[in-house]
Amino acid sequence: AQKVTQAQTEISVVEKEDVTLDCVYETRDTTYYLFWYKQPPSGELVFLIRRNSFDEQNEISGRYSWNFQKSTSSFNFTITASQVVDSAVYFCALRIMDSNYQLIWGAGTKLIIKP
Amino acid sequence: EAGVTQSPTHLIKTRGQQATLRCSPISGHTSVYWYQQALGLGLQFLLWYDEGEERNRGNFPPRFSGRQFPNYSSELNVNALELEDSALYLCASSTNGQLEAFFGQGTRLTVV
Repeated sequence: AQKVTQAQTEISVVEKEDVTLDCVYETRDTTYYLFWYKQPPSGELVFLIRRNSFDEQNEISGRYSWNFQKSTSSFNFTITASQVVDSAVYFCALRIMDSNYQLIWGAGTKLIIKP
Repeated sequence: EAGVTQSPTHLIKTRGQQATLRCSPISGHTSVYWYQQALGLGLQFLLWYDEGEERNRGNFPPRFSGRQFPNYSSELNVNALELEDSALYLCASSTNGQLEAFFGQGTRLTVV
């Protein structure tokens, strides 16, 4: 069975601190995709990144970086020099390549950046 | 390019009534997905439509139904509303085969 665990329910840091959001996934499939989405208070989920199971290269996009490690089944997300605008709920999701399409979602981590 | 649009933004219904939620996908997207997000909870998959057909549904009772129109817009209908149906309903769209989906701002349904 597929599962995504985001053990951190809520994280609170002071602006400019670095923060890492954890994501651990479970699947027996060898081909799969991992995603991160951001949900600000407005409610709309914003797509951040997609990573496939064959690409373990870390990715950096501005202040955001992602660390994918198949050995530990983790796909962690780090925000460097956090800003108040980063405050949101962040979701990690897993998709396996079957015909039924299903994104398996983590429960989300609420990130609070205090000024 | 316009994103995924949902209407209405907010909807208040009485228990036992029916609710209809609407979603317009991004132009060129043929797949529409519906999710329910109850307060403080994660996303629960409801329905997937592609090219006018229902492709998959989540673990929800039959009173949750929907359809996709020839222009790829979609409706979600919830019959015999219950208090626990109160949630944010999110619609997302993608092209056929596209891996990531793009979300609308959601419809917040409140059942009183």
